[in-house]
Amino acid sequence: NAGVTQTPKFRILKIGQSMTLQCTQDMNHNYMYWYRQDPGMGLKLIYYSVGAGITDKGEVPNGYNVSRSTTEDFPLRLELAAPSQTSVYFCASSRRTGAGNTIYFGEGSWLTVV
Amino acid sequence: GESVGLHLPTLSVQEGDNSIINCAYSNSASDYFIWYKQESGKGPQFIIDIRSNMDKRQGQRVTVLLNKTVKHLSLQIAATQPGDSAVYFCAEKNYGGSQGNLIFGKGTKLSVKP
Repeated sequence: NAGVTQTPKFRILKIGQSMTLQCTQDMNHNYMYWYRQDPGMGLKLIYYSVGAGITDKGEVPNGYNVSRSTTEDFPLRLELAAPSQTSVYFCASSRRTGAGNTIYFGEGSWLTVV
Repeated sequence: GESVGLHLPTLSVQEGDNSIINCAYSNSASDYFIWYKQESGKGPQFIIDIRSNMDKRQGQRVTVLLNKTVKHLSLQIAATQPGDSAVYFCAEKNYGGSQGNLIFGKGTKLSVKP
């Protein structure tokens, strides 16, 4: 089972560059999420989506954009990369939201902005 | 404000002993709690969850205890094994709040000594 797949695994960006982190899930989950994890810290929600065509901001959305054109894909776009966006990014999905609905995470994307 | 924190950032135990990882939360409206395990270089993996109408839930070698009176959550791992070495995160959710927002603690690193 593929589950949640993220690409790329590692990326180095220069300040001001843009890039897209790809995320796809094959579990037909309605809900998808993007989190970032800074060293020694827990995960913080960037954006989430409750279904195709619907996205909403999380706790730390500034500097990012998302789209959800299909159920499977939820790309995260970084515009004008800044050193503060150096982090590990995790995409996740769940069937619904609610107690008992497990959130499945991808393997992570390590991003360094220099 | 709401927060999820951990009493001990690191925990070292002997193989075969039981491990107890603690977590404090401050949002009394949180009604669902989850423990995740994160191995080095990987995404968080669901371990066990508990709803606020319960005070104990058991899984395979793991038990989660919830004390709503003092807003405390713990994860007990029986007969700890080297494969249990990882960072453990607690997370809380208030289903009356933002649908996407699972609030994570900073994590406790569990090291198992052979």
